[in-house]
Amino acid sequence: QSALTQPASVSGSPGRSITISCTGTSSDIGTHNLVSWYQQHPGEAPKLIIYEGTKRPSGVSYRFSGSKSGNTASLTISGLQAVDEADYHCCAYAGDFYVFGTVTKVTVL
Amino acid sequence: QLQLQESGPGLVEPSETLSLTCSVSGASISSGSYYWAWIRQPPGKGLEWVGSIFHNGATYYHPSLKGRVTMSVDTSTNQFSLNLISVTVADTSVYYCVRPRDSFGDYQYWGQGKLVTVSS
Repeated sequence: QSALTQPASVSGSPGRSITISCTGTSSDIGTHNLVSWYQQHPGEAPKLIIYEGTKRPSGVSYRFSGSKSGNTASLTISGLQAVDEADYHCCAYAGDFYVFGTVTKVTVL
Repeated sequence: QLQLQESGPGLVEPSETLSLTCSVSGASISSGSYYWAWIRQPPGKGLEWVGSIFHNGATYYHPSLKGRVTMSVDTSTNQFSLNLISVTVADTSVYYCVRPRDSFGDYQYWGQGKLVTVSS
């Protein structure tokens, strides 16, 4: 039932790539390929940007991509832009309920 | 266009019950196979999944909240609700009502959020 572990902050220069990790357990990320990622700008509701680990909803930039290895999921943002500066949350299915990550603040330098 | 709107008291006293309602417009709660849900976010912190409900009343709750949380649905008014009993300051959060992209999880549709403060 513990939250998934994310780094508190990640930063990068415009045009570069960054990766945010999301570490869970064999009861959530390790067993189910049902990881989603959300982007949240200040004062706004979160926005779904990745689902089922690697898929992007219609309208979400190709610069966002997801992956998974073992108990860890990752979100990569390529070609970093100022508009990407936001909070990012991962979420995983844990069997009848969902668990979120500890949130990562992305700063564009 | 699907829209969700949370409503309810913004201030609740400790040990009392937090009650919120989500009004859905642009689609019927009874259509599709969606598990409508509540997600909350303490100020300055990450998200926490609270629970979900199907239009037939079937529910799933986060293990940490079981015993305190109850969700219900009213298909005649196209609303679903959240009740959280015995609240403490730790329950102070922005509460979002949401709908999945498909049937369960992957929350694509969000209300604007309702800040509920637990304080005397």
